[in-house]
Amino acid sequence: RKEVEQDPGPFNVPEGATVAFNCTYSNSASQSFFWYRQDCRKEPKLLMSVYSSGNEDGRFTAQLNRASQYISLLIRDSKLSDSATYLCVVILPYSGAGSYQLTFGKGTKLSVIP
Amino acid sequence: NAGVTQTPKFRVLKTGQSMTLLCAQDMNHEYMYWYRQDPGMGLRLIHYSVGEGTTAKGEVPDGYNVSRLKKQNFLLGLESAAPSQTSVYFCASSSPTGTGQGETQYFGPGTRLLVL
Repeated sequence: RKEVEQDPGPFNVPEGATVAFNCTYSNSASQSFFWYRQDCRKEPKLLMSVYSSGNEDGRFTAQLNRASQYISLLIRDSKLSDSATYLCVVILPYSGAGSYQLTFGKGTKLSVIP
Repeated sequence: NAGVTQTPKFRVLKTGQSMTLLCAQDMNHEYMYWYRQDPGMGLRLIHYSVGEGTTAKGEVPDGYNVSRLKKQNFLLGLESAAPSQTSVYFCASSSPTGTGQGETQYFGPGTRLLVL
């Protein structure tokens, strides 16, 4: 099983739709979770962190299910500007090397259609 | 602040040539990273540094070397480029949060490398 797995998509949705992405991770000791957004031919940028209690930022809701080892991202009222690739990121347990290493999923591509 | 910058933005090499990619950050971050991104593979860590003068191997270090002589700069070298090193290279930086949680990484705009 790969460390971080995502549905590659693409997800093609109309404006105003609600879309959900899921991501599963294999290491049950993983500590921190994030969603990054990457626009075409651009660098990844942090979208939001994912907390155990779930968290919301405007139209975006992230949830973590440690028992099932998956995280989710829900986008409500999709906008054209939401079109991008969404990367699930998992922080592996601290290895003692002085830094936390991020493991990236391959990303899910979202296209919001007018 | 410029954040994280990368030089060059695009480069074409012939097999066997060498080159150095430069990453610079002006956020006084302790940690710096080099990733490569290939279609269908996602981002993979090549090397990273937790401070000036220190470097460590990531997931795919073979064929690359790095140096961190100054805190703000992280260099990635290809001594003898191969077609398999055709990729988009991203540099990132971060600082420890002290909270026991992973810190946010800030990425540069990327360098597109084509090895013929």
